[in-house]
Order: sequence, then C-alpha cells, then structure tokens
Amino acid sequence: EAGVAQSPRYKIIEKRQSVAFWCNPISGHATLYWYQQILGQGPKLLIQFQNNGVVDDSQLPKDRFSAERLKGVDSTLKIQPAKLEDSAVYLCASSTPWDTEAFFGQGTRLTVV
Amino acid sequence: SQQGEEDPQALSIQEGENATMNCSYKTSINNLQWYRQNSGRGLVHLILIRSNEREKHSGRLRVTLDTSKKSSSLLITASRAADTASYFCATDKTGTYKYIFGTGTRLKVLA
Repeated sequence: EAGVAQSPRYKIIEKRQSVAFWCNPISGHATLYWYQQILGQGPKLLIQFQNNGVVDDSQLPKDRFSAERLKGVDSTLKIQPAKLEDSAVYLCASSTPWDTEAFFGQGTRLTVV
Repeated sequence: SQQGEEDPQALSIQEGENATMNCSYKTSINNLQWYRQNSGRGLVHLILIRSNEREKHSGRLRVTLDTSKKSSSLLITASRAADTASYFCATDKTGTYKYIFGTGTRLKVLA
C-alpha cells in the first residue's frame, strides 16, 4: 500500500515570497491533516479536512496560509507571503475512518531566509 | 495550544535498559496515540489506546492510560540503538477527532 506522498521534500525561499506544498493521501482516506512542526517542538495542527470540507482550521494563520482539497483527494497548502517564522517542516497525514491512526508523509522542510 | 506534554524532555540510556516516558493531557479524550520520529523524517505510528482501555502491548512496547489522572506512559523494554528517536503522544479531544501532539521526549540509546 502506497503511503502519504508529499512534495517537494525541501524548499528554500526568501521572506515575502510565496510557496506551495502538495500532498497525496493514502487511497480511500477521507480525513487529511496538515501539521506544522518547528524544530524542537511537537507537530501543530493547521487544518483538518473530511473529504473536501474543512473540519477545523482554527490554528491556520488565514492572513497568509490557505489550503484546499479539491475532489476530496489531493491537497495543497500555500503560504503567501512567507515570514521567517514559517521555517518549519510541514507534515501531511491521512486517516480513515474516525478514531484510527493517522499515517504521515515524510514532510516538506521549508527554510525562509 | 499543546494538549499533551511529555516527560522527560530528554532521556539517555544504555542499550538493553528499559525506557519510560510519560504524557499528560488536559481534557477528556477518545483515544491516545504514541508516535516515533527519527531525525528529519515523518512520524511513525506505534500504538493507539482507547479511553476505555488501561493497558496495551505491542512487541517491546507497553502503553498504559489513566484517564482519572489524564496521563499515559510508554515503556520500551530492552532498548536498542535503533530506538533512538523522538517520541510523541497525540490525543483527540472528545468530540473533535483531531489529533493534538505533545512536546515530545528525545530518547537516546547508547550502544
């Protein structure tokens, strides 16, 4: 069974530039999560989708971050404009049905300079 | 905000010894999960324990859950150098089904 795919693996951008991350969840997984993990900290949930609807985005900085999940499968997370403090690993995870483990991708390491 | 908090923050042991790490959380939960993260990699699911369970085993892993104290412990027996990683607990607050991670315990197993 293929795992959660994320791209790119690494990205370096200058502050105020924009960046997008892509995630392809495990086939059939209805729930998709985006997490931000700053070095030395635990992952912080940014947004949770159920199919193509948003379940929770309370921790998403909506003035600069946006996410979508078209057709309830792939998802993209965008940052525009990026700030230095956005430097982190962005992790995508998927699960199904409710109340089971979440499977994580390898993450995208973003460095904002 | 962090729902869970692991203790200790860092742990260093010799190969063959047991490692115990604890997780405390703030609100009632549906279940609690433990994950491992090797440096620079994604998270790997280790074990899930439901709120109505008190203990669960998987290979060299033993997890306990005390809902009255809002705490869980992960025991790794007969540790190996390959167990060197960060360990996180994740809880989903009752009624939400979103997983909130703790701050993690960095385990180092010395050969």
